[in-house]
Parts: sequence; C-alpha cells; structure tokens
Amino acid sequence: NAGVMQNPRHLVRRRGQEARLRCSPMKGHSHVYWYRQLPEEGLKFMVYLQKENIIDESGMPKERFSAEFPKEGPSILRIQQVVRGDSAAYFCASRLDTVSGNTIYFGEGSWLTVV
Amino acid sequence: GQSLEQPSEVTAVEGAIVQINCTYQTSGFYGLSWYQQHDGGAPTFLSYNALDGLEETGRFSSFLSRSDSYGYLLLQELQMKDSASYFCAVREGGATNKLIFGTGTLLAVQP
Repeated sequence: NAGVMQNPRHLVRRRGQEARLRCSPMKGHSHVYWYRQLPEEGLKFMVYLQKENIIDESGMPKERFSAEFPKEGPSILRIQQVVRGDSAAYFCASRLDTVSGNTIYFGEGSWLTVV
Repeated sequence: GQSLEQPSEVTAVEGAIVQINCTYQTSGFYGLSWYQQHDGGAPTFLSYNALDGLEETGRFSSFLSRSDSYGYLLLQELQMKDSASYFCAVREGGATNKLIFGTGTLLAVQP
C-alpha cells in the first residue's frame, strides 16, 4: 500500500513563474491537507480538500495560491507569480474517510526554491 | 488565538529517558498527536491521545491532561536515530479534523 506520493520532490522556479505541486493520497483516502513548512519552523495548515471540494482554505494566502482535488487525478497546489518568500517545503497529507480516521499521514514533501 | 508551546531544543544521552512537553490553547480540541520529523523528511505519526492518561507504544509513550491543556511525549532507551524534531499537534475536529502543529522540539541524542 503506497503512502502519500508527492511530486516533484524538488522544484526551482524564478521569481514570477508558476509552481505546481502534486499529491496523490494513500489508497482509500479521500481527504487531503496541504501544509507549508518554512526552515526551522513548524507546519502551517494551508487548505483541506475532499474530492472536488475545498472544505477549509483558511490557511491559504489570499492571492496567488490555489488548490484543487479533482474527481480523477492528484490534488494540485498551484502558486502563481512566485516570490522568494514562497521558498519552503510543502507537505501533503491524507486521511481515511471515517469517523475514526483521526490520523493523517504525510508525504515526503515538495521543496520549492525561488531564485 | 491558537498556540501550542514546546521547548525548542532538548539534549540527552543514549539510553536515557527524555520528556517533551506541550501546552496548547486552541479553539477546538479533539485530541493531541505527536509526530517525528527527521531533517528533510516527512513528519511521521507517533501517537494520539483523545482521552486523559498515558498511551504506550514501544519505547514511546504519550500523556494527555485535558483539564491542564497539557501533554507530553516520553522517549525511553534513547537511540541515536531518535535525534529528530518532534511536534505536538491538536486535532481541531469539526468539519475539517485538521491538525494545528506546535513549533517543534529538536532532540539531540549524544553518545
């Protein structure tokens, strides 16, 4: 049973370009979370999605950031017109669709570097 | 506001026992989780407490006191490979069940 799969693992973008980060949840999981981690800091919640629905985007910056989780395919976190401050590790996590699904499992992360 | 406080760093020697504390203040509370993260790696689930008391999983134990908004992670028989960052996280429940993470504790295990 494969874990949460993220790609790319490392991404370098110039200021002003777009970054697309992909996440495939664990098999059987229909809940996806995106977190951002700046160097030597904790994980900050960004957005929570279920298939075709954004449930909670309270942690998303109001501009340039968007996320989706289509009916088919991976969840995508999109950052437009990247700036140096967007350089961070972006972790995706998934959870079972059950009342007792209280554990979320993380992928290996995507490291974005903006130059 | 929401906050989870942990010590920033802890140092211990191989074979010892170390306790990492976490105090929290959040708008909702449905449980306290602990995650381990090695440098450059994915956060890995260690334990979860929904009710007061001690949960034991091998060398790791976790404790929760909801009345004190406090929990801790206890690591026994420390090994060098335990050197990592440890995060407590509150499960907020509600519609999202999202986790709010603490600032993390960097554990350094010395020979």
